[in-house]
Amino acid sequence: QSALTQPASVSGSPGQSITISCTGTSSDIGGYKFVSWYQQNPGKAPKLIIYEVSNRPSGVSDRFSGSKSGNTASLSISGLQAEDEAEYYCNSHTSRNLYVFGTGTKVTVL
Amino acid sequence: QMQLVESGGGVVQPGRSLKLSCTASGFTFSNYGVHWVRQAPGKGLEWMAVIWSDGSTKYYSDSVKGRFTISRDNSKNTLYLQMDTLRAEDTALYYCTRDPTPGTFDVWGQGTMVTVSS
Repeated sequence: QSALTQPASVSGSPGQSITISCTGTSSDIGGYKFVSWYQQNPGKAPKLIIYEVSNRPSGVSDRFSGSKSGNTASLSISGLQAEDEAEYYCNSHTSRNLYVFGTGTKVTVL
Repeated sequence: QMQLVESGGGVVQPGRSLKLSCTASGFTFSNYGVHWVRQAPGKGLEWMAVIWSDGSTKYYSDSVKGRFTISRDNSKNTLYLQMDTLRAEDTALYYCTRDPTPGTFDVWGQGTMVTVSS
């Protein structure tokens, strides 16, 4: 199972909006609603920020939103803040009842 | 509060075995599927294995299938990972996490480090 493809890095200025893509296949992202996103700060465990494509857990800022089109999922961050600087990973359920993470995207706030 | 605490990591020689544990508290462990996820130093997250809430079903990534065994003891609120025939590439921080719905990893442990080196 190959990792889902994410851009290595995305950057933006404070207040701007950015979007991170996560590309898979019809056997994972394209076939299921079980796509999630995680934020990871250095030395910390990942934190769930989006589940089932577009749902936000309680306590997660509404500046984070998720969507999916075909085999590609996307995470958008609006009103970019310094605290959003982190590594972001997507994850998807697969047709073999396994799970696969994305390659990870480093978000930099300029 | 809901918590997962991993233990059992350490330094082990290639070809040897190690067993990790993950102890849950603050929620009804037996109601949840639980997973192992690892992260090699400076690298991304890699999903490894899942065991369903009643222990009846297990799935493994291709990279560990046949070498690693996931199990659980709901009476002890504990998840395990038996790792056999360890390789240098198994060196990583190992996390446990639960999923209230498929792929929704909402609670994570702090991780336990495994180093495979001679």
